[in-house]
Amino acid sequence: SQTIHQWPATLVQPVGSPLSLECTVEGTSNPNLYWYRQAAGRGLQLLFYSVGIGQISSEVPQNLSASRPQDRQFILSSKKLLLSDSGFYLCAWVPGQGAFTLHFGNGTRLTVT
Amino acid sequence: AQTVTQSQPEMSVQEAETVTLSCTYDTSENNYYLFWYKQPPSRQMILVIRQEAYKQQNATENRFSVNFQKAAKSFSLKISDSQLGDTAMYFCASVNQAGTALIFGKGTTLSVSS
Repeated sequence: SQTIHQWPATLVQPVGSPLSLECTVEGTSNPNLYWYRQAAGRGLQLLFYSVGIGQISSEVPQNLSASRPQDRQFILSSKKLLLSDSGFYLCAWVPGQGAFTLHFGNGTRLTVT
Repeated sequence: AQTVTQSQPEMSVQEAETVTLSCTYDTSENNYYLFWYKQPPSRQMILVIRQEAYKQQNATENRFSVNFQKAAKSFSLKISDSQLGDTAMYFCASVNQAGTALIFGKGTTLSVSS
């Protein structure tokens, strides 16, 4: 069966520090992968999605970047965190083109201090 | 830009009652998918129900059903016989114009009390 792992679960980082959140999917190949952010009172905002290795689409210009070094690995990064980067980050996947039922990881709560 | 609008930030209902959560969306596509997701206090995102726009029949999953009005671009969720475990934030979502990702509304926080 397919599973998605996202870590860490909680992270507290100072302003100006780097960030790396990791997400991996097991039990499937060539999934579409997504990063969403949930800020307080703002719903889920799509940040990045990827339809294949090295293919990253950015939905919102910001202080973050994403990479997909392997088929089932998706990484969210920042070189210097801002206070406004605080939020709940969710990784999700679907099994490929034409499939839209997202399967979510457990999320990472990021607090930038 | 494509939008999904949930006009009810918060709702409350008593156990065993029925509640309807509203959602409107904006799309120029003819065939598309719509979703309701639930996020309980654990913050795990759980799929509640899915509707394919080309299907006339409204989707139903046990106590959860939708009222899909394609012309009005409305997609409401009805929860019958509400239970305490239904307490959660509910998100409506539709597929984006490129057909590559889901766009979510801002959510409705539902509280079910005894």
